[in-house]
Amino acid sequence: KAGVTQTPRYLIKTRGQQVTLSCSPISGHRSVSWYQQTPGQGLQFLFEYFSETQRNKGNFPGRFSGRQFSNSRSEMNVSTLELGDSALYLCASSLQPRGEGEKLFFGSGTQLSVL
Amino acid sequence: AQSVTQLDSQVPVFEEAPVELRCNYSSSVSVYLFWYVQYPNQGLQLLLKYLSGSTLVKGINGFEAEFNKSQTSFHLRKPSVHISDTAEYFCAVSAAMNYGGSQGNLIFGKGTKLSVKP
Repeated sequence: KAGVTQTPRYLIKTRGQQVTLSCSPISGHRSVSWYQQTPGQGLQFLFEYFSETQRNKGNFPGRFSGRQFSNSRSEMNVSTLELGDSALYLCASSLQPRGEGEKLFFGSGTQLSVL
Repeated sequence: AQSVTQLDSQVPVFEEAPVELRCNYSSSVSVYLFWYVQYPNQGLQLLLKYLSGSTLVKGINGFEAEFNKSQTSFHLRKPSVHISDTAEYFCAVSAAMNYGGSQGNLIFGKGTKLSVKP
């Protein structure tokens, strides 16, 4: 079974541009979450999607948005990029958003550098 | 709301020595607790989790953790580490399901870098 796939692996953008990151969950998983990882702030929750609906949202500005498609694939978009958006963006999937015994399966992430 | 504190940002140890990575949490409701490991250039992998029941939880790769409700701690231990255990370890918490917790919305600590030296 293929794991969580994130594309692209690396991305370099300049300030003011916008970027779209993609995440394909494990087959059969319907919940996708996004996290931002930086050396200073650690891992911070961005949002969680289940069945094309956003269920939870972290404390990030509106420049950060996402969506989930009917096949459970998810995209994350960041508009008007700032230098501080440079980070590793991790996607995780699980069968269900709620329920005991579930665990998150993480992708290897997209490393975004904003110049 | 929940929060997690990992008291040590870096822990150097020699191979075959025991190790303990400390984690404290705060929450006004019951919680689920997790330890994840991140190897260089990879995503996170679940080591172990505490949902309920026995406070001593055993995970993969010989790791175990003990949930201590009175001390709000969930420290990770391994009796004898290997070079291959060198990685960053993250403690995470979520509100329990019956308090609206979600598996996807985890609050992570800042991580502890374990460096195992020969």
